[in-house]
Amino acid sequence: DAGVIQSPRHEVTEMGQEVTLRCKPISGHNSLFWYRQTMMRGLELLIYFNNNVPIDDSGMPEDRFSAKMPNASFSTLKIQPSEPRDSAVYFCASRPIAGASGNEQFFGPGTRLTVL
Amino acid sequence: DAKTTQPNSMESNEEEPVHLPCNHSTISGTDYIHWYRQLPSQGPEYVIHGLTSNVNNRMASLAIAEDRKSSTLILHRATLRDAAVYYCILSNSWGKLQFGAGTQVVVTP
Repeated sequence: DAGVIQSPRHEVTEMGQEVTLRCKPISGHNSLFWYRQTMMRGLELLIYFNNNVPIDDSGMPEDRFSAKMPNASFSTLKIQPSEPRDSAVYFCASRPIAGASGNEQFFGPGTRLTVL
Repeated sequence: DAKTTQPNSMESNEEEPVHLPCNHSTISGTDYIHWYRQLPSQGPEYVIHGLTSNVNNRMASLAIAEDRKSSTLILHRATLRDAAVYYCILSNSWGKLQFGAGTQVVVTP
């Protein structure tokens, strides 16, 4: 199995530019999660989807951030406009069964974003 | 959301057992106890989870106190590859994970 796939692995952009991060969950998984990790704040859950529907986006920092899941095999996290404080590693994770507390999440390798 | 308390760091010698404690005194009856670890420059990796009974898998064992207010992750024989940050997390009914600071495990040869 390929696991969770994220692209790009590294992204360097300038302040004000639009950034789009991509995630392909494991086939057959019903839940998808976006996390952000920084030294200051650790790992934070931004948003998660069950069966392609956003369930909880309370972790999304502000309106500059948006996430979509148009189908079961693809999700995007967009930042527009980007700011230096958005620099972080962004992880995507998927889980087999929606709404099941005991299911493990499978994390992707992350996208390291640097906003200059 | 219920929170967990873990030591900041622990050291172990290679091939010795490691016992990682976690306190979760506000756990609710439906919360699962999850452990994940994060190796340097990688995404978090599932280790083990449990609800009430002790659990074993190929990676580790999870010992859960009878009152469920604490748990211990046991790595039976630490290797250098086990050096990582270990997170103890309570998950709600939707399986939402809230990561804390975790315990940095250092394994010395």
